Order: sequence, then structure tokens, then C-alpha cells
Amino acid sequence: TQLLEQSPQFLSIQEGENLTVYCNSSSVFSSLQWYRQEPGEGPVLLVTVVTGGEVKKLKRLTFQFGDARKDSSLHITAAQPGDTGLYLCAGGRFSGGYNKLIFGAGTRLAVHP
Amino acid sequence: EAQVTQNPRYLITVTGKKLTVTCSQNMNHEYMSWYRQDPGLGLRQIYYSMNVEVTDKGDVPEGYKVSRKEKRNFPLILESPSPNQTSLYFCASSLSLPGQGNEQFFGPGTRLTVL
Repeated sequence: TQLLEQSPQFLSIQEGENLTVYCNSSSVFSSLQWYRQEPGEGPVLLVTVVTGGEVKKLKRLTFQFGDARKDSSLHITAAQPGDTGLYLCAGGRFSGGYNKLIFGAGTRLAVHP
Repeated sequence: EAQVTQNPRYLITVTGKKLTVTCSQNMNHEYMSWYRQDPGLGLRQIYYSMNVEVTDKGDVPEGYKVSRKEKRNFPLILESPSPNQTSLYFCASSLSLPGQGNEQFFGPGTRLTVL
């Protein structure tokens, strides 16, 4: 069982549609990061949120950290083919003596022209 | 250009043949980490290092070794690879602990197949 559950696992949409992907847990996280990974490359950080209820915007992407810091969402407005990729959330949690980063399994997004 | 490099990018080997995957970063980062990525399981941490000569186990360390003799390099060693170590491997570095919100920079990945 993943500590961080991402949904949906797969999403296939047409260009111009809006979408939301979710990252949920029963645990509290000190920080929450979203990464995007394209085929043949490593993940690239999109945003970090640290405060419960925090909302950050990056052009057409809106990220929200839940009030209780257990969940997060990523909303994309008017999706474009360039948004295609694997979206990973990762939460910071104190475990084993240090603050480690735990990843979800990801949401694979395909945006068709 | 600030980057994390890994070599090789692709490797096919046989069970039991020792191999090393190199990782190097040019950002003077203290923290480095190795992950493996498998379908449906996301990224799982193998080993991490908080500084030179300081390494520790992550969540899935069995069958792997690491060393941190220099700040910039963090090689991953598989002494006797087995088929269940077939995976996509990523090296990453950050200024400090990524769990505290620090940005982690990832290498391009090494796709390993063990026959």
C-alpha cells in the first residue's frame, strides 16, 4: 500500500480540457512537492508547498495543499500536448531519524491535439 | 550548466556480474540519493548520503552498495545483480534534505536489465 495515493493513475484528454489530479494520504506531511517526468528523463520539480491550505499557481497549473497537510491537488486549465507526462507528488515526512521524501506512484497524463 | 549525470544510460547484464552505475553532480550539493522506479510503485529510495563519507539505507537497500568519497560523486554498486533488480534507476542531489522542501535535481536515469 502506497503512503501517498495518486489518482487517477492514467488520464487521456483532448487539448483544451481542464483536469485535476489528486495526491492523498492519511499521514501529515511537512512539505509536498509536485514533479513532472517526461519519457527518457528524470523528474523535474514543479512546485513545493509547505503551509496547510496553500495555493500556488504556475501559469495554467494550480497546486493546493490540504488544510490538514495530508493531501494535495494539481489542476491544469486548458491542457496542451506539452503537458503530457508523468506527474509525481512527493511528501516530506520525519522517519528513521531524518526528514525523508516519499513519492506517490504517479498520474500519467496524455493530452491529444 | 547545473546538472546530475549518470552512466551508463542503458545496461543489459547477466545475473551475478558486478556492475557500477556512476553519478556525478556539479552543484556542490550536500545531499545525494539513489532511487529505483518500477511501474505502479513510484520512486523508492535505495540509499542516500548527507555528506562525504556519510551514507545510509533508504527503503529498499538490499542488494546494493554505495560510497561517497567525494562530494560530487555517488556511485551505485550491484555486487551480484539479480533479475529482480531490473529497473529504472535515478540519482538525485539537493542542497539539503529534500523532505524539508529543498529542490531535488534528478539525473536522466539508467535503465538496467538483468537477465
